[in-house]
Amino acid sequence: GENVEQHPSTLSVQEGDSAVIKCTYSDSASNYFPWYKQELGKGPQLIIDIRSNVGEKKDQRIAVTLNKTAKHFSLHITETQPEDSAVYFCAAMDNFNKFYFGSGTKLNVKP
Amino acid sequence: SQTIHQWPATLVQPVGSPLSLECTVEGTSNPNLYWYRQAAGRGLQLLFYSVGIGQISSEVPQNLSASRPQDRQFILSSKKLLLSDSGFYLCAWSLGTNTEAFFGQGTRLTVV
Repeated sequence: GENVEQHPSTLSVQEGDSAVIKCTYSDSASNYFPWYKQELGKGPQLIIDIRSNVGEKKDQRIAVTLNKTAKHFSLHITETQPEDSAVYFCAAMDNFNKFYFGSGTKLNVKP
Repeated sequence: SQTIHQWPATLVQPVGSPLSLECTVEGTSNPNLYWYRQAAGRGLQLLFYSVGIGQISSEVPQNLSASRPQDRQFILSSKKLLLSDSGFYLCAWSLGTNTEAFFGQGTRLTVV
């Protein structure tokens, strides 16, 4: 089955700096890669996603890049704000429509 | 609009007791349904996946089972809870290929 690895496990940045989280996946048949933000005690919420027919997608301060050849994808957050502090998860959807998640990155944005 | 309901929000159960967590989805038909478990400070582990009524795929052998008695109802059960069953249980739904999963608010289960 699909295996998704995520790094780093914790990330601390100063407000206004950029944050980058990286993920790799194992199943070359996976074609959909969402990113989720989880706040304490709540369910994860989608922040951005990318499909395998594109290499990059941007939504305001958030961008995601995908390299299908290398089987890795990354989340980029620019101009970080304290409210960006949360746990972020990458995921890959396999060709059976099952989602496999990375182990999460705890992002701390210091004011 | 679509919504997902998951209950209860928190649960404390003794070892050896049964478990039933329920998840229902409104506003859509024939969703794919998922149960995930999240251990403290860890990622989301896929437990069960369902593409339709009575169709359950189990990802890992364990002390839990799942059922889908109706199109938009997904139930997670156990006959006898273990301490290791403690965790944050999340239900999710999606509409299929290359579409996002929507999560419920989760159930915090503590087995004592």
